[in-house]
Amino acid sequence: EVQLVESGGGLVKPGGSLRLSCAASGFTFSSYSMNWVRQAPGKGLEWVSSISSSSSYIYYADSVKGRFTISRDNAKNSLYLQMNSLRAEDTAVYYCARDNIVGAGDFDYWGQGTLVTVSS
Amino acid sequence: QTVVTQEPSFSVSPGGTVTLTCGLSSGSVSTSYYPSWYQQTPGQAPRTLIYSTNTRSSGVPDRFSGSILGNKAALTITGAQADDESDYYCVLYMGSGWVFGGGTKLTVL
Repeated sequence: EVQLVESGGGLVKPGGSLRLSCAASGFTFSSYSMNWVRQAPGKGLEWVSSISSSSSYIYYADSVKGRFTISRDNAKNSLYLQMNSLRAEDTAVYYCARDNIVGAGDFDYWGQGTLVTVSS
Repeated sequence: QTVVTQEPSFSVSPGGTVTLTCGLSSGSVSTSYYPSWYQQTPGQAPRTLIYSTNTRSSGVPDRFSGSILGNKAALTITGAQADDESDYYCVLYMGSGWVFGGGTKLTVL
């Protein structure tokens, strides 16, 4: 059974940092591109970042470029999101999502999400 | 900055047909944007309905279909059921990442 479990969320002050993790199981993690997608409370979905299976291709939304860094460790079946210079508008539930077919828009499995709250 | 547009809300009668659309603030949506559609109910993670314009995700009933209508991507639900009441999001590929629309809240009544 495919499982994605996010962790690392919490309360952080503006300007602070946080590192999210996503533990994957039930599939060959190293064969899939992965994504982070966030959802602010009561708002819509926002794609944040993606990373290819071998980390060769990495993309970011303009809203996080220069502040967030996506990475993965295929040996540990884990995806990460390092978030620096956090702002109030980064407050959201952060989901990791598997990219079933690269470029096709099929994020077929999602984690349950981890809440990040940026507040003083 | 390109904005992906969706109707904020829509309603449909049980058994009826509804078409939700996904457009661009500037330009037309084509298959080159690989439009995809997601369904999300409160407190749950999104679920893929349609990807690459018109491919149904595994397990999605065939009353959900995707297409290009004019200059927009479209999601059509035929024979709407009560449990189709959800938020629906489209997402477009912009060459170096994805952009979600603001979502459509569908009410079945």
